[in-house]
Amino acid sequence: SQKIEQNSEALNIQEGKTATLTCNYTNYSPAYLQWYRQDPGRGPVFLLLIRENEKEKRKERLKVTFDTTLKQSLFHITASQPADSATYLCALDVKQAGTALIFGKGTTLSVSS
Amino acid sequence: DVKVTQSSRYLVKRTGEKVFLECVQDMDHENMFWYRQDPGLGLRLIYFSYDVKMKEKGDIPEGYSVSREKKERFSLILESASTNQTSMYLCASSFRQGSNQPQHFGDGTRLSIL
Repeated sequence: SQKIEQNSEALNIQEGKTATLTCNYTNYSPAYLQWYRQDPGRGPVFLLLIRENEKEKRKERLKVTFDTTLKQSLFHITASQPADSATYLCALDVKQAGTALIFGKGTTLSVSS
Repeated sequence: DVKVTQSSRYLVKRTGEKVFLECVQDMDHENMFWYRQDPGLGLRLIYFSYDVKMKEKGDIPEGYSVSREKKERFSLILESASTNQTSMYLCASSFRQGSNQPQHFGDGTRLSIL
């Protein structure tokens, strides 16, 4: 069955540094991968989507890479701020039509000032 | 902006009760989803629907059913609530079957079964 892992439950960094979060998957070849942000007591919010034929995607301070050979996606936040503190989830499509997603358990990022 | 509204933020019910969780979206999305989120287990898909009156089982459908009579509304039903169904329940919607559209989530219902 498909398996998706985010490398660590928690990541602590200092303000201004680059945060790098990892998402690994096995037993599957997804057509695309998504990243979400979740704040305590709130639902996840979509951030970025990257397709299998895209190596990299950027949005403001966010950058996502997708390596289908390594079966890995990296999520970077540059010039991190305390407001970036949240849990970040990666998700893969698992149904043929791309309707449903399987989510990783998330990495909780804490940015200290 | 897409708005997904879940009827209750917090709900307390008793074992054996039939529980209804309601979700409404305002963007005419075809797809709707119900997840539960538990510490250490992450988000797990219970059921989803890609059209009115259509439903498909997710990874953990046991003990749950769903209803989608109108496009904008997707209900999750706990037929006979049990304590192991205490959890955060999240509803989501997305546009169009067969595409890679992002999912839009509500803020969840924290359900406690006593």
